[in-house]
Amino acid sequence: QITLKESGPTLVKPTQTLTLTCTFSGFSLSTSGVGVGWIRQPPGKALEWLALIYWDDDKRYSPSLKSRLTITKDTSKNQVVLTMTNMDPVDTATYYCAHRRYCGGDCYSVWGQGTLVTVSS
Amino acid sequence: DIQMTQSPSSLSASVGDRVTITCRASQGISNSLAWYQQKPGKAPKLLLYAASRLESGVPSRFSGSGSGTDYTLTISSLQPEDFATYYCQQYYSTLRTFGQGTKVEIK
Repeated sequence: QITLKESGPTLVKPTQTLTLTCTFSGFSLSTSGVGVGWIRQPPGKALEWLALIYWDDDKRYSPSLKSRLTITKDTSKNQVVLTMTNMDPVDTATYYCAHRRYCGGDCYSVWGQGTLVTVSS
Repeated sequence: DIQMTQSPSSLSASVGDRVTITCRASQGISNSLAWYQQKPGKAPKLLLYAASRLESGVPSRFSGSGSGTDYTLTISSLQPEDFATYYCQQYYSTLRTFGQGTKVEIK
């Protein structure tokens, strides 16, 4: 059974750097075709795709946020870390990590429960 | 960026109704489309991928179709547990974009 869980601060101040950790089980990030993505959702708004890391350490970022995002993996710990610099109140959202499997592209077949991050001074 | 436009943004329907949600891409996406269902306070759930392929465990009343820029999600007979918000997502381009969502409410 695949599970993922996000962890990190619930409150960050403007201009600070956010570090979120996705801890997963039930799959290995060294298996071909597998990846872990990050998606966020501001309160009451739509989903926004942020970043994805593949089993081979290839990475993809949202172009509009690329300068602020870094995604890394620690295969031995079954963790993926997302950092976002220069946080702003508009970055207030629930942040989800999700298991990516190959479906002709990126399908996010299992999601974490999400973690709400509030940006406020 | 490929923009994904869903319509309608919300709809009211009754149990047993046939419901259709449309997703239009700003350029062709070659069936690189997934549909997700999200209930309040919960994470999204993958329903379909490759425009028409049903994810394992998803009821067969859900179906998808389309090509090029226009895609649809159909629920053949709406059940109480289907009241939720539905999102399309393209994975054709580097920036994987979601639609703005369609909320299906009880009439």
